[in-house]
Amino acid sequence: EPEVTQTPSHQVTQMGQEVILRCVPISNHLYFYWYRQILGQKVEFLVSFYNNEISEKSEIFDDQFSVERPDGSNFTLKIRSTKLEDSAMYFCASSYRVGPYEQYFGPGTRLTVT
Amino acid sequence: KNQVEQSPQSLIILEGKNCTLQCNYTVSPFSNLRWYKQDTGRGPVSLTIMTFSENTKSNGRYTATLDADTKQSSLHITASQLSDSASYICVVSAGGNAGNMLTFGGGTRLMVKP
Repeated sequence: EPEVTQTPSHQVTQMGQEVILRCVPISNHLYFYWYRQILGQKVEFLVSFYNNEISEKSEIFDDQFSVERPDGSNFTLKIRSTKLEDSAMYFCASSYRVGPYEQYFGPGTRLTVT
Repeated sequence: KNQVEQSPQSLIILEGKNCTLQCNYTVSPFSNLRWYKQDTGRGPVSLTIMTFSENTKSNGRYTATLDADTKQSSLHITASQLSDSASYICVVSAGGNAGNMLTFGGGTRLMVKP
């Protein structure tokens, strides 16, 4: 069964550094998402991406964040100048359509900022 | 502000017993409501998706109900198994231009004991 994959599974970085989290969505999906989950808290929507542009973003997704689909398979989240409070699990998801259609989540990347 | 609240926060039941988890939401305009299962350290996995016109939907031993008038949903698990131990998250999707944005509840952490 097709699945969303994410790399790395765990990333440790120093405060102020830039990180890139990578995702490979399911191949025929057209909509891509990033979510984050701070330890012990709710999953939070960050951004959705369709047709090579951002379709929605939350208040969390400020200028520190950017997304890109550099080729036909990868979908990346870049976090510039990381802060301690960026430490969280970051989930990528994809769906074929919007509306009442399943979003398939990847296993997540645990980002630890020291 | 869109919100999803779940109860109880945690629940312990014996293997083989049934349980019901609750969800209340204030999301407008409403598009659909989803229940996800999330194992510790893993990405959420979809159990059910219901639109405004659906009152109930089943997926094996999981049955979700939706009352769009009172903005409440429940997830009933029958004949629980040890593998049901996980967090169960109620997620509501807003309609209109925010059709991609999911609002997550805090989850109910279920522990099934032998």
